[in-house]
Amino acid sequence: TAGITQAPTSQILAAGRSMTLRCTQDMRHNAMYWYRQDLGLGLRLIHYSNTAGTTGKGEVPDGYSVSRANTDDFPLTLASAVPSQTSVYFCASRAGGQVTDTQYFGPGTRLTVL
Amino acid sequence: QQPVQSPQAVILREGEDAVINCSSSKALYSVHWYRQKHGEAPVFLMILLKGGEQKGHEKISASFNEKKQQSSLYLTASQLSYSGTYFCGTADRGSTLGRLYFGRGTQLTVWP
Repeated sequence: TAGITQAPTSQILAAGRSMTLRCTQDMRHNAMYWYRQDLGLGLRLIHYSNTAGTTGKGEVPDGYSVSRANTDDFPLTLASAVPSQTSVYFCASRAGGQVTDTQYFGPGTRLTVL
Repeated sequence: QQPVQSPQAVILREGEDAVINCSSSKALYSVHWYRQKHGEAPVFLMILLKGGEQKGHEKISASFNEKKQQSSLYLTASQLSYSGTYFCGTADRGSTLGRLYFGRGTQLTVWP
């Protein structure tokens, strides 16, 4: 069972370049999320999508964009990367918006912006 | 809306007990606990729902006190495999369709 896959596993990116982090889930979950994790700050929500075709901003959306063309895929794009976007990025999904729904995380993408 | 976890770090000997707390300033509907090993993704442990129920996972259990807007994670007779960072995620009245807010984590180290 794949669950959630993310690509690439890690990436070194020059500042000013653009990049798309890929996230795919095979659980037919409606809700999907992108978090960044930085030492001492925990998991901070970048963008979310409650269902295909809709997206919303989280706590730290600046410099990032997302799309949700279908249920399975939720790519995160950095239009012009800056060093402060160096982080570990986790994609996550939940079946729906119920408080009883378990949230599952992908394996993460480690991004370094130089 | 980010919950506050305490302590920030715990160091234990194998077999010792620990308690990790998660507090919110908002009325909570549910608390979700996760454990993350170094270099890996957070792994779901359990959900605590409004109603004060207590749950268990192996020798790890948790409680949810609605009045105090707090949840506690109890690790009994710690094993080496319990080492990692523990996060609580909370869903409160203001959560957008069940969105979770995560604490900054508690780093647990168990020594032999």
